[in-house]
Amino acid sequence: AQSVAQPEDQVNVAEGNPLTVKCTYSVSGNPYLFWYVQYPNRGLQFLLKYITGDNLVKGSYGFEAEFNKSQTSFHLKKPSALVSDSALYFCAVRGPWDARQLTFGSGTQLTVLP
Amino acid sequence: DSGVTQTPKHLITATGQRVTLRCSPRSGDLSVYWYQQSLDQGLQFLIQYYNGEERAKGNILERFSAQQFPDLHSELNLSSLELGDSALYFCASSPGINTEAFFGQGTRLTVV
Repeated sequence: AQSVAQPEDQVNVAEGNPLTVKCTYSVSGNPYLFWYVQYPNRGLQFLLKYITGDNLVKGSYGFEAEFNKSQTSFHLKKPSALVSDSALYFCAVRGPWDARQLTFGSGTQLTVLP
Repeated sequence: DSGVTQTPKHLITATGQRVTLRCSPRSGDLSVYWYQQSLDQGLQFLIQYYNGEERAKGNILERFSAQQFPDLHSELNLSSLELGDSALYFCASSPGINTEAFFGQGTRLTVV
């Protein structure tokens, strides 16, 4: 079975500082990895994905994520945080074959302090 | 706007009742997924349909059922509702396995 762990329920960072939201995964075979963001009372918005290729993927709103196969991690990063980045972030994994649904982590609440 | 439409946005109903949540996927997307988001359980996958056929089942209760119609819209039926069924129910769609899923705004169900 596939699973995702987001070890931090809450991450606080000052505006202008770099941010990292951590994610580790477990899946049979090569993973398909995703990051989503959820603003209050809204649906999930897709940020970025890793399917294959370059380990550093770039996504929306200046976010990027680094795939590390040996550490089974897919941490979300941004060089300079904005107050408007404050939201709930979800990492998700999909197995390469049978399990087509996305399995989500528990989410990390990011707060960017002005 | 993701292109996935869910109705209604809010629903308040009593215990023991039955409700139907509706989802229209993005144009051309054949896969529809249903998720439940609650404070204690997080985002839980319920069920997936692909072009009208059930493809995968997750933590879906027997009191819940879903279907996908020929026009690809989907409905999630929740019956014998309990207080613990109060949650945000999301529908998502995707065109294929290698792509991301696009989520609707969700239906907030409150069971009183």
